Amino acid sequence: GQQVQQSPASLVLQEGENAELQCNFSSTATRLQWFYQHPGGRLVSLFYNPSGTKHTGRLTSTTVTNERRSSLHISSSQTTDSGTYFCAIDRSNNNAPRFGAGTKLSVKP
Amino acid sequence: EAAVTQSPRNKVAVTGGKVTLSCNQTNNHNNMYWYRQDTGHGLRLIHYSYGAGSTEKGDIPDGYKASRPSQENFSLILELATPSQTSVYFCASGDADTGQLYFGEGSKLTVL
Repeated sequence: GQQVQQSPASLVLQEGENAELQCNFSSTATRLQWFYQHPGGRLVSLFYNPSGTKHTGRLTSTTVTNERRSSLHISSSQTTDSGTYFCAIDRSNNNAPRFGAGTKLSVKP
Repeated sequence: EAAVTQSPRNKVAVTGGKVTLSCNQTNNHNNMYWYRQDTGHGLRLIHYSYGAGSTEKGDIPDGYKASRPSQENFSLILELATPSQTSVYFCASGDADTGQLYFGEGSKLTVL
């Protein structure tokens, strides 16, 4: 099966610092997504990014498919960025997405 | 916006009892999924479905059944609940073309 590893497991920042979250996967992925989860809440899709670089606001996702890795960069972090970030991988529309264990981010004021 | 709703949001059950978690989506997506979330494990796939009448086993299907009676509805059934099934359960629908997932708010199940 597909293995998805995320690092670091947890991260504590001071407000204004940047964050780099990593996602590595063991098999070829045709589709990759990044999600954000509020503490105890719903998962919200941040990026659908099977390859290349995408930006939205202070967030940048870069996926290098042939190297089986993706990163999520958060610039100028804010306390409202606190929560858990997940990446999810699947190979095709006939293959259900599998998730990493997540990176728990805490941004201090 | 795409909508996935789960019920109940909170449930306390007794060991050996039957529990049904329901999920409804208004996205007209063919694919639907049930995951459970436990500390340190992220989200683990229990069952999924490609459309009405279909169910597939995920990575941790033991102790769970699934039912997809219609495009909109996907249920997770615990026939004989055990304390190890205490968890938060998430349902999602997925766009078959893009793979994008839309999640419900989760159902917290406690089995005593």
